[in-house]
Amino acid sequence: SYELTQPPSVSVAPGQMARITCSGEALPKRYVYWYQQRPGQFPVLVINRNFERPSGIPERFSGSTSGTIVTLTISKVQAEDEADYYCLSADSSGFYWVFGGGTKLTVL
Amino acid sequence: EVQLVESGGGFVQPGGSLRLSCAASGFTFSTYWMSWVRQAPGKGLEWVANIKQDANEKYYVDSVQGRFTISRDNAKNSLFLQMNSLRVEDTALYYCARWGLQQSGMDVWGQGTTVTVSS
Repeated sequence: SYELTQPPSVSVAPGQMARITCSGEALPKRYVYWYQQRPGQFPVLVINRNFERPSGIPERFSGSTSGTIVTLTISKVQAEDEADYYCLSADSSGFYWVFGGGTKLTVL
Repeated sequence: EVQLVESGGGFVQPGGSLRLSCAASGFTFSTYWMSWVRQAPGKGLEWVANIKQDANEKYYVDSVQGRFTISRDNAKNSLFLQMNSLRVEDTALYYCARWGLQQSGMDVWGQGTTVTVSS
């Protein structure tokens, strides 16, 4: 079955840049979506269709792609950004969806 | 206000059944693909199933194929998940989610309903 691979954890000091990667074979052909989930809350879409930032999401959140690896970048990280982040994409058929394992972002 | 509210979760023994419901409001429900996503305690998100606007297409993660059935009632703005032959590993918080238009991601989520499968 299809898998998306994320690092389990990323740590960054406030004001620094955080990069969270997601790798998968079908990523060159499929959109990727990024979600932020704070403890006890439902997921929130922070990056839509690889690069787009939904309304209300701060400009410090951005998405990029390079072949089979996509990256969520958070510039000038703030304490409120501490959360779990998940990538979501479909397999090569486009009908079956997979979340990455999630990355816990810790703001030091 | 755009809203999704899940219900129907509970405690069930292995092999049992539950039917989850999701009530949608604040948007034209029949226009959107819908999903169920679950999260086991302390674990990550897992996509469970999708259903097209007219219910003519349904897709499931392998682990629930043949046991779970996703359905919808557009007249009642409701989404359902019939879960049969439940296993301990189905224990999770189950979220209902709306897919955005034009291949946008799941942009509206409910608060979730908890399913516990245990003997």
